[in-house]
Amino acid sequence: GDSVTQMEGPVTLSEEAFLTINCTYTATGYPSLFWYVQYPGEGLQLLLKATKADDKGSNKGFEATYRKETTSFHLEKGSVQVSDSAVYFCALSDLGAGNMLTFGGGTRLMVKP
Amino acid sequence: NAGVTQTPKFQVLKTGQSMTLQCAQDMNHNSMYWYRQDPGMGLRLIYYSASEGTTDKGEVPNGYNVSRLNKREFSLRLESAAPSQTSVYFCASTRQGLEAFFGQGTRLTVV
Repeated sequence: GDSVTQMEGPVTLSEEAFLTINCTYTATGYPSLFWYVQYPGEGLQLLLKATKADDKGSNKGFEATYRKETTSFHLEKGSVQVSDSAVYFCALSDLGAGNMLTFGGGTRLMVKP
Repeated sequence: NAGVTQTPKFQVLKTGQSMTLQCAQDMNHNSMYWYRQDPGMGLRLIYYSASEGTTDKGEVPNGYNVSRLNKREFSLRLESAAPSQTSVYFCASTRQGLEAFFGQGTRLTVV
């Protein structure tokens, strides 16, 4: 079945540091890929998405590129802020699996001033 | 702009009690999901409904039942609550292949 693997956290960075959170996936079909963010006490909200190979999703300074050859969708940001502290989830939606969502385990990011 | 609405936001149950978590979406989405999130863990799928009238088990369905009442509503029922069901429950909905929208969550404690 489909699966998503993320790097384990927590990831602790200083403000303005570069961020990478690794995500790899396995899927039977042609998935769309997503990054969601969860702030404390809230539900998940979409951060960015990519629907086909080589697409780059971007939002709020975050970027991720859909790499089919390496089955990866790593999240990056050039300069993190304290307000980016949250849990980040990589996910896929696979047409071959009835479009069911599959999530990674989540990575907690803590940014210190 | 309601999106996905879950009720209640908080609930405390005694072991053996039953309750139903309600979820409604106003985006005309076909697919709806129930997840649970335990401390330090990711989301685990309990049940999902790909369309009105259909439901399927996810990763952790034991102890739960669901009803897709109509296209808007997808409820989750705990027939006999157990302490192991203490968790935060999230409902979500999606259009086909597109991003999911989540409710704010229900924080359930079973004592």
